[in-house]
Amino acid sequence: EDQVTQSPEALRLQEGESSSLNCSYTVSGLRGLFWYRQDPGKGPEFLFTLYSAGEEKEKERLKATLTKKESFLHITAPKPEDSATYLCAVQAVPGNQFYFGTGTSLTVIP
Amino acid sequence: DGGITQSPKYLFRKEGQNVTLSCEQNLNHDAMYWYRQDPGQGLRLIYYSQIVNDFQKGDIAEGYSVSREKKESFPLTVTSAQKNPTAFYLCASSKGLAGGRLYNEQFFGPGTRLTVL
Repeated sequence: EDQVTQSPEALRLQEGESSSLNCSYTVSGLRGLFWYRQDPGKGPEFLFTLYSAGEEKEKERLKATLTKKESFLHITAPKPEDSATYLCAVQAVPGNQFYFGTGTSLTVIP
Repeated sequence: DGGITQSPKYLFRKEGQNVTLSCEQNLNHDAMYWYRQDPGQGLRLIYYSQIVNDFQKGDIAEGYSVSREKKESFPLTVTSAQKNPTAFYLCASSKGLAGGRLYNEQFFGPGTRLTVL
């Protein structure tokens, strides 16, 4: 069964304390893996797309990496404004179906 | 500014009523989607449309209906047949095939929170 699992469910970090969020997936074939940021009561904001194992993308303090079974979102020296829920989604082939994880709620404490 | 708008932001429905949620995009995207988000669950696909005048059911289409008469608009109707409609509803769009490349990234609107009284 195709599915996406994110861990941990919640993460509390001190400001400046780097860490990683995990997104593991099981799909028959991967068309793309997507990371989003979602603030409370708002729609998800697109961050990255990764297409193949070994690919990396960076944006400010965030870096996303991809292997054949999982993706990591590395947060370097986080700031309180990085607090949000981070969602991972996978588009599978055949069929182009999207599967979303339940997210990791990140809190960065000043 | 290009983007996706949803209205209203908050919607209250009495049992037995149909309500329609609006979704408009000015990104010139071909594909549009409706998702439902409940606490502790991933986004679940209700309906999607890859082209005007065509749409397909997603995983949880029962009790919902859509139309796609214009490229920019994809309204969702929550009917009285939907037994548990209280949720956060998200509309999204993606560019689709352009210039020989498939753009799959979905861009989301701000959401509509529907509450059944």
